Amino acid sequence: DTGVSQNPRHKITKRGQNVTFRCDPISEHNRLYWYRQTLGQGPEFLTYFQNEAQLEKSRLLSDRFSAERPKGSFSTLEIQRTEQGDSAMYLCASSFKSGQGAGELFFGEGSRLTVL
Amino acid sequence: AQSVTQLGSHVSVSEGALVLLRCNYSSSVPPYLFWYVQYPNQGLQLLLKYTSAATLVKGINGFEAEFKKSETSFHLTKPSAHMSDAAEYFCAVSGGSYIPTFGRGTSLIVHP
Repeated sequence: DTGVSQNPRHKITKRGQNVTFRCDPISEHNRLYWYRQTLGQGPEFLTYFQNEAQLEKSRLLSDRFSAERPKGSFSTLEIQRTEQGDSAMYLCASSFKSGQGAGELFFGEGSRLTVL
Repeated sequence: AQSVTQLGSHVSVSEGALVLLRCNYSSSVPPYLFWYVQYPNQGLQLLLKYTSAATLVKGINGFEAEFKKSETSFHLTKPSAHMSDAAEYFCAVSGGSYIPTFGRGTSLIVHP
């Protein structure tokens, strides 16, 4: 397994456009997380899935943000009607849900969003 | 509720000197504690974790951290810094839900 993969690595868009990011987790992992990181800050939790179930989404930043994990494998994060304040690095991570590896997140390299 | 405070956004040391990166946490339940490292243009990777076993935890690349409940601290140390240790370091805390809350990070600068 090559680890957590995120695409695209960098997205430049105009304000008001919709963008979608994809994350392919480590195949053995049950959980998939989305975080956002802005300059000078640590990762900020957005949402997570356990298999295909989205167990926490109250921390998504607004109703313009949504995430899916349709078959419990890859996930997408969509931002509708982007705003300049959405410019950030969007991080995906995966982990086991229980056992010795629980809580150990494996991160992808991130998808950087720039909204003009 | 849980939170992490990392003291010092930048720490500068000479090569060969002791590295000390400070982390204090707040948690309403027994915590799980983590240190992650982020090298330029790379994803975060786990350095070490505390999960209520031994209070002194050893990680990769010679780093270790000590859990001190009375001080609510989980400071990261390394006896001798290498140039390759220059990176951003993040402390994180989670409860039984295993959703880590991260600190703001500390940038470690290593001078020759």
